[in-house]
Parts: sequence; C-alpha cells; structure tokens
Amino acid sequence: QVRLVQSGAEVKKPGASVKLSCQASGYSFTDYYMHWVRQAPGQRPECMGWINPKNGVTNYAQRFQGRVTMTRDTSISTVYMELSRLISDDTAVYYCAPEGLGSGSYYTQWGQGTLVTVSS
Amino acid sequence: DVVMTQSPDSLAVSLGERATINCKSSQNVFYNYDNKNYLAWFQQKPGQPPKLLIYWASTRESGVPDRFSGSGSGTDFTLTISSLQAEDVAVYYCQQYYYTPRTFGQGTKLEIK
Repeated sequence: QVRLVQSGAEVKKPGASVKLSCQASGYSFTDYYMHWVRQAPGQRPECMGWINPKNGVTNYAQRFQGRVTMTRDTSISTVYMELSRLISDDTAVYYCAPEGLGSGSYYTQWGQGTLVTVSS
Repeated sequence: DVVMTQSPDSLAVSLGERATINCKSSQNVFYNYDNKNYLAWFQQKPGQPPKLLIYWASTRESGVPDRFSGSGSGTDFTLTISSLQAEDVAVYYCQQYYYTPRTFGQGTKLEIK
C-alpha cells in the first residue's frame, strides 16, 4: 500500500531555513509528481508547488517563488522541501501528496504532516 | 489564483438528518476535452491530513460511505451527507485541481445539533 513518511517536527527562529523530507513507498516513485501543501492553524490548505521526481523539474506557487526549493533523491524515493527566510506566518503543518495515483490529478494520499513552528 | 468559496462556514445538523455544503469557484473548472469537473471534496478531522471523499465533482472515492455524494458543474458544486452520523463531525474542504496553483475553499465546520 502507499506510504508517505515525513520527517519530524521542527522549531525555527525567524530568518532561518527549514528542510523537510517525505519518503514514499508502495508505488512507482518517479511516475507521479509530488506536491507540497501547507496548512496554517485554523486555515485552509495551501498548495506550495510540485516536483517531478523523474527529472527534478519543479513548479512553485508564485507566492513562494524565491523562498522554496524542492528536490528529490530517487535512490531512496524521497522528496525534500526547503523553505528559507522563515517568518511567523510560515508556522504550519506541511504535507506531501502525490498527484495522479487515482484516475486523475487529485490527491488520494497524504503524508502524516510535519509541524513547523517559527518563533523567536 | 482561483478563489474557492464555501458556504456556510459552519453547520449544525441533527443525527440522521441531511447536511449540505456548497462550493463556488471563481473560474470554470469543467474541461470540455474530457467532459469532467476538476473538483474534489475532502474531510479533515483534528490532527489528521485531509481525506479524499469525492473527485470529478461526483465520484466517490473507494471506501467512502454512500451517504456522501457530490454534484454540480462549472462553478457551483455541492457536497451532501444524506444521513449524518457522529463520525462525520469534521471540517470539509472543496478543492479545484484544474488550475495551478490548486486552491481550496475556506472550509465548512460540521457539528452535531
């Protein structure tokens, strides 16, 4: 079965960077784009962008351009999301979710989420 | 970005009664080429990731009880729970996956009356 295991919670100071990981199993890792979605407390989920694990091509939401970097390591079926110049508004749970495991590009599976807290 | 607006923001329904949640997209999410609406519904309980209920606006995900149904096309969509059960207490989100970035509604909190 599909498993998406994310790295553990992080506490960062404003201005720092954070790098999260998401290890996938149970499906062909390189065949499905991986998305990152974050959710601030009490807020709606927000899509940050995606990476094509096959070739590393990325597409970032405009509001994160210049601050987010998504990478992958195909040898261990893992994608990474690094967010720099953190501010308090970046406090959120960050999820990975592959698209296309179903009949279309919707999300059928999500990682368990990683809580990132930004606080001085 | 495409704006998804849900109504109401919160809803209290008696057990066994019908619950209806609406979702409006600022852009048409119907794709003529494949005749599909790129609209999904998710259920989220505290401390958990969203769970897919409905995709293509009206197709129930495997394992989702048939009391959940989706309808609508173009810009206006509805999620209906025909007979509310206690385990349905959650926040419900619609999401369009036609445009980049994908966007979610603000959520509807469903409670028991």
